[in-house]
Amino acid sequence: DAKTTQPPSMDCAEGRAANLPCNHSTISGNEYVYWYRQIHSQGPQYIIHGLKNNETNEMASLIITEDRKSSTLILPHATLRDTAVYYCIVRGIQGAQKLVFGQGTRLTINP
Amino acid sequence: SQTIHQWPATLVQPVGSPLSLECTVEGTSNPNLYWYRQAAGRGLQLLFYSVGIGQISSEVPQNLSASRPQDRQFILSSKKLLLSDSGFYLCAWSGKTLAGAYNEQFFGPGTRLTVL
Repeated sequence: DAKTTQPPSMDCAEGRAANLPCNHSTISGNEYVYWYRQIHSQGPQYIIHGLKNNETNEMASLIITEDRKSSTLILPHATLRDTAVYYCIVRGIQGAQKLVFGQGTRLTINP
Repeated sequence: SQTIHQWPATLVQPVGSPLSLECTVEGTSNPNLYWYRQAAGRGLQLLFYSVGIGQISSEVPQNLSASRPQDRQFILSSKKLLLSDSGFYLCAWSGKTLAGAYNEQFFGPGTRLTVL
């Protein structure tokens, strides 16, 4: 599975859009980009995933560059409850779907 | 709806004592099951996964073991705990992969283990 690089921490004001970047320059053609988040002392929560097209759901939007070497998770109107560690993970869809979590980005939403 | 349970929620054990953590899933059948560990201030590390009863794959060599005696039951064990076994243990499940589809992993509430 391709390796990902994320900034260790970010801050965002409540009500503003939070844009979390992720670099995955070694991603291969059949690998997807997944995003999970972990609120303190809880298990991770799935947010969104995509292959090459931009994706949107009720939680967030995922923007993947045309060359697929990087992506951005967008939380359109961040709230205090969005404070968490956000993990960007790249892997294929075959097999047991093991997830390899890196250090993630600690996002702090400030009032 | 599907739910995942883990117990106990917290556990304090002396070094050298045995360990048994249990995870059960309700509302689904034939899930993939996973055990992760998160040491203090660290990311999640996959320990074991299982695609079916009695089928266990180990990701990291260590003094822990896993078993799946029933379809929706996953157990993490140790015969003798080490200080380094302290951490937050998370169980997760996912559905089986359909062609071209991704089944997200759903995590349980976790067990916080402290080995003294």
